[in-house]
Amino acid sequence: AIQMTQSPSSLSASVGDRVTITCRASQDIGNDLAWYQQKSGKAPRLLIYAASSLQSGVPSRFSGSGSGTDFALTISSLQPEDFATYYCLQHYLYPRTLGQGTKVEFK
Amino acid sequence: QVQLVESGGGLVRPGGSLRLSCAASGFRFSEYYMSWMRQAPGKGLEWVSYISRSGSSTYYADSVKGRFTISRDSAQKSLYLEMNSLTDEDTAVYYCARETVTVGFEYWGQGTRVTVSS
Repeated sequence: AIQMTQSPSSLSASVGDRVTITCRASQDIGNDLAWYQQKSGKAPRLLIYAASSLQSGVPSRFSGSGSGTDFALTISSLQPEDFATYYCLQHYLYPRTLGQGTKVEFK
Repeated sequence: QVQLVESGGGLVRPGGSLRLSCAASGFRFSEYYMSWMRQAPGKGLEWVSYISRSGSSTYYADSVKGRFTISRDSAQKSLYLEMNSLTDEDTAVYYCARETVTVGFEYWGQGTRVTVSS
C-alpha cells in the first residue's frame, strides 16, 4: 500500500498567519491527491483535488501544490473558521490511503 | 443536491454483526463509484471498502478483508456494508462517500456510529 506521510501532526498559529502542511507519498501518485478539512464531529470536506484544483465554494486562501511524491496545502491567511484537522488522501491506487492528519490549533 | 445518509449503526457485542446502509439522492447513483470510510474515536480517517458502478468489482482494506462485504442496489439508490466478526477495533464512525477518478471523494455522508463492546 502507498504510505502517506503528513507533517506536521499539529501546529499552533494565529489568525492571519500563513500555514503550510506537507504530504509525501511512498511512490509516484501523479496528481491523484486530495486535501480535506474536518471539524470536530463533522464529516470531512473536500478542499483541493487533483493536487492543486480548488473545490467549488472553497475560499481562495486555500491552495495546493505538488505532483509525484511531494505535495503541500497552504492557507495564505488563517481565519478563525480554519482551525480544524486536515488530511491528505491519495486516490491513485487501492487501498486508498490518507495522511495521519494535521491539527491546526489557535496559538 | 447530493445527499448521502448513513444508517444502521449501534452497539454490538464482539463477534457480532451489523449492516450499514447509505441512502443516496440528488445524483445518478448507478454512475458513481462508492466507498466506505471510517474514523475510530480520536483517530484519523481510514478507507474501508470500494465498489464499482456495476457492483462487479470490490476492494477492501486488509483490516476488514474476509469480514466485511460491500454491496449496492441501484434501484434503491443504496450502498451497504455487511460487517461480521466485529472486534473493538471496528468501533468507529462510518462514512459513505461518492468517488470519482479525477476528484477522489467529493461527497460524504454525516456518518453512523458503530460501537463494539461487551
